[in-house]
Amino acid sequence: DTGVSQDPRHKITKRGQNVTFRCDPISEHNRLYWYRQTLGQGPEFLTYFQNEAQLEKSRLLSDRFSAERPKGSFSTLEIQRTEQGDSAMYLCASPTGDRDNYGYTFGSGTRLTVV
Amino acid sequence: DQQVKQNSPSLSVQEGRISILNCDYTNSMFDYFLWYKKYPAEGPTFLISISSIKDKNEDGRFTVFLNKSAKHLSLHIVPSQPGDSAVYFCAATTPYGGATNKLIFGTGTLLAVQP
Repeated sequence: DTGVSQDPRHKITKRGQNVTFRCDPISEHNRLYWYRQTLGQGPEFLTYFQNEAQLEKSRLLSDRFSAERPKGSFSTLEIQRTEQGDSAMYLCASPTGDRDNYGYTFGSGTRLTVV
Repeated sequence: DQQVKQNSPSLSVQEGRISILNCDYTNSMFDYFLWYKKYPAEGPTFLISISSIKDKNEDGRFTVFLNKSAKHLSLHIVPSQPGDSAVYFCAATTPYGGATNKLIFGTGTLLAVQP
């Protein structure tokens, strides 16, 4: 698998409900990132995993958010008691794997709409 | 605190002409810079990058220029094509000393290439 897969692509939920997103990163990459993009903004860092360890969390990641990466493979991002302000595109990324390229390959994202 | 700034929200260019997208940064610790392209409902796609030890990097129609003293970089697209119409994000990171290597993005510039 040469790409980053995210599921679902779109999610509409009522305020107060819980939602969970999944990311399958590029195979054999031990680093994984979650970002959030809202309208008119660039992607904003949420959290970072190295293997199964969550090594950094942004202050954007409130207590209602939890991310996991069991066994260092796929990752999930859960939002509890969703609010309208959570409406955004949630992006997962892996390092490109190219030598001397410190960028990421992003998935297609999950578009969350909280109504 | 916006560490990476793209002050032009939009840019319109005629097909065949040059597109110049600008980006400024404030954190002098950044030493690797990237440009991403994003179409609606998709994740950002890596375009081109530059290390702080260089002042220019070229890849086909795309050239990135870095002026470290001014903390400024620009992306030149020549000749511009209608398929280049997208949002372009500038990003910066510190890959050589930091553990996370998170990317810090600007707010983006919407490029419209007119046929």
